[in-house]
Amino acid sequence: AQSVTQPDIHITVSEGASLELRCNYSYGATPYLFWYVQSPGQGLQLLLKYFSGDTLVQGIKGFEAEFKRSQSSFNLRKPSVHWSDAAEYFCAVGAYQTGANNLFFGTGTRLTVIP
Amino acid sequence: DGGITQSPKYLFRKEGQNVTLSCEQNLNHDAMYWYRQDPGQGLRLIYYSQIVNDFQKGDIAEGYSVSREKKESFPLTVTSAQKNPTAFYLCASSASRQKSYEQYFGPGTRLTVT
Repeated sequence: AQSVTQPDIHITVSEGASLELRCNYSYGATPYLFWYVQSPGQGLQLLLKYFSGDTLVQGIKGFEAEFKRSQSSFNLRKPSVHWSDAAEYFCAVGAYQTGANNLFFGTGTRLTVIP
Repeated sequence: DGGITQSPKYLFRKEGQNVTLSCEQNLNHDAMYWYRQDPGQGLRLIYYSQIVNDFQKGDIAEGYSVSREKKESFPLTVTSAQKNPTAFYLCASSASRQKSYEQYFGPGTRLTVT
């Protein structure tokens, strides 16, 4: 069965520092992988996605993620964090199940940015 | 502007009452989804619909019902049978005919039942 693990519940970084959020997935086939961001009380916004091809994908707001099949990982990175990046981040894997394309989400990582 | 709208943003109900949450999309997407979000639990799938007049239960469908009479609309009813209905509810859509897994989310409805 498919699943997503985000091992860090909460991360705190200083503004201007680099960021890496971890995501590990379990899925039998080639995965479709996503990172979403959620500001408090808001819906989810897609940051980036991986379907195939180049394993380093670029997204919006200066984020990137690298797919590593050997480690079953899809970690999100940003070289320099801005205060506006404080939010909750969700990793998701897409899986075809019972005739539908569904997303399976991790439990999220909350990012705090300190000045 | 294309997108997904959910209304209302905040909803308060007394225990024992049914309540319906609205979700409308103008993206011409075939598939629509309802998720429930609780702190520390991520998103859990309640119901989804791949086409008009058809829908399937997700992981936590008990105590909820849906309808899909129009492509643009996918309302969710939280019934009195739902034991713990207070949560943040998110609606999403995707263009399933392109075999896309990418989902677009609405702004959410926070339901409080007392």
